[in-house]
Amino acid sequence: GAGVSQSPSNKVTEKGKDVELRCDPISGHTALYWYRQSLGQGLEFLIYFQGNSAPDKSGLPSDRFSAERTGGSVSTLTIQRTQQEDSAVYLCASSPSRVHEQYFGPGTRLTVT
Amino acid sequence: QKEVEQDPGPLSVPEGAIVSLNCTYSNSAFQYFMWYRQYSRKGPELLMYTYSSGNKEDGRFTAQVDKSSKYISLFIRDSQPSDSATYLCAMNTGFQKLVFGTGTRLLVSP
Repeated sequence: GAGVSQSPSNKVTEKGKDVELRCDPISGHTALYWYRQSLGQGLEFLIYFQGNSAPDKSGLPSDRFSAERTGGSVSTLTIQRTQQEDSAVYLCASSPSRVHEQYFGPGTRLTVT
Repeated sequence: QKEVEQDPGPLSVPEGAIVSLNCTYSNSAFQYFMWYRQYSRKGPELLMYTYSSGNKEDGRFTAQVDKSSKYISLFIRDSQPSDSATYLCAMNTGFQKLVFGTGTRLLVSP
């Protein structure tokens, strides 16, 4: 079946602009996660959704970062007033209810110039 | 100290070798352990998932967890050039965020 999809695959933006990154999870997966992968830093947790609620937002680095999920499906991660340090690959993962394995999308490579 | 430590490599082996990849961790509450493979410019792909201590085998891959030592391993038998990738260990305490190692880059030469 279809896996997790993310769009755009690449995004180049100027410092100070806002960007929106989209994640379409696997159909039926109730949990959705956003991670950030920077060179030499590994994967860093950002936020976790169960349905449309976000019980854990502890990884969002600043109030410039926000995310929402609608219809228990699609999620959007928004970064306002982008900074160069926001340049990274943003990965989305989903998992079925009460299952520990997480399945990742291909990521969005964000470059802030 | 990071919660999960993993040697970044690169680890270079000839085709057909047995590969051993390892992670150590500090949080004794971790119960669920995963190994992901990530090819360049792709998302991580789940390889193996184990709960608590013990071994799990899937084809050429074997995952081991030793909770008493806080040490997990992934063994790859008969390694192939197509196994060349970055291998990430990940773990959590429940249905929530994964904590990842930084990944070990593996190079298998023909």
